[in-house]
Amino acid sequence: NAGVTQTPKFQVLKTGQSMTLQCAQDMNHNSMYWYRQDPGMGLRLIYYSASEGTTDKGEVPNGYNVSRLNKREFSLRLESAAPSQTSVYFCASSETGVKGGYTFGSGTRLTVV
Amino acid sequence: GENVGLHLPTLSVQEGDNSIINCAYSNSASDYFIWYKQESGKGPQFIIDIRSNMDKRQGQRVTVLLNKTVKHLSLQIAATQPGDSAVYFCAENGGYSTLTFGKGTMLLVSP
Repeated sequence: NAGVTQTPKFQVLKTGQSMTLQCAQDMNHNSMYWYRQDPGMGLRLIYYSASEGTTDKGEVPNGYNVSRLNKREFSLRLESAAPSQTSVYFCASSETGVKGGYTFGSGTRLTVV
Repeated sequence: GENVGLHLPTLSVQEGDNSIINCAYSNSASDYFIWYKQESGKGPQFIIDIRSNMDKRQGQRVTVLLNKTVKHLSLQIAATQPGDSAVYFCAENGGYSTLTFGKGTMLLVSP
């Protein structure tokens, strides 16, 4: 049982390049989330998908787009990467909403130069 | 992940001591709280949760205390072990369908 799988684990981009971070869960969870983690800032919500077919903005959505491809997969896209998007990105899932907490992936470390 | 501990408050304890990690939350409407543990290079891991109709909940070696009057949450770890060294986050739901996380506390356990 893999839980939440994120790819890639590490990525270096040049300013202006685009990329998609992939996330898949095998727990049949309805809700999925993307957070970014910066030193001293804790985890901040970028986007979430409460259920298949829906997506909503979180606290820091600017510069990102998401796609809930199916129940298992939730991708995060950076259309034109900026140095301010250098961060560690975590995908998470939950059965429904917040009760019971989230299961997190192991993260993607992204550096934009 | 790596470097998440920079700029964080740090609690240093000796192996075998009891540890208490504190968290002040902001939203008086929050009705559900979770403590997470994050080891270096890994994603956060669920430790224990508590609903707002409780003031204490115990798990294996961990206890969470909730004081709604002063909007304070604490995590107590009994007989702390080197493997408990990590960053600990509290999270609240605030009535919305997502969790809001605190900035974290780094726990360092010396053998």
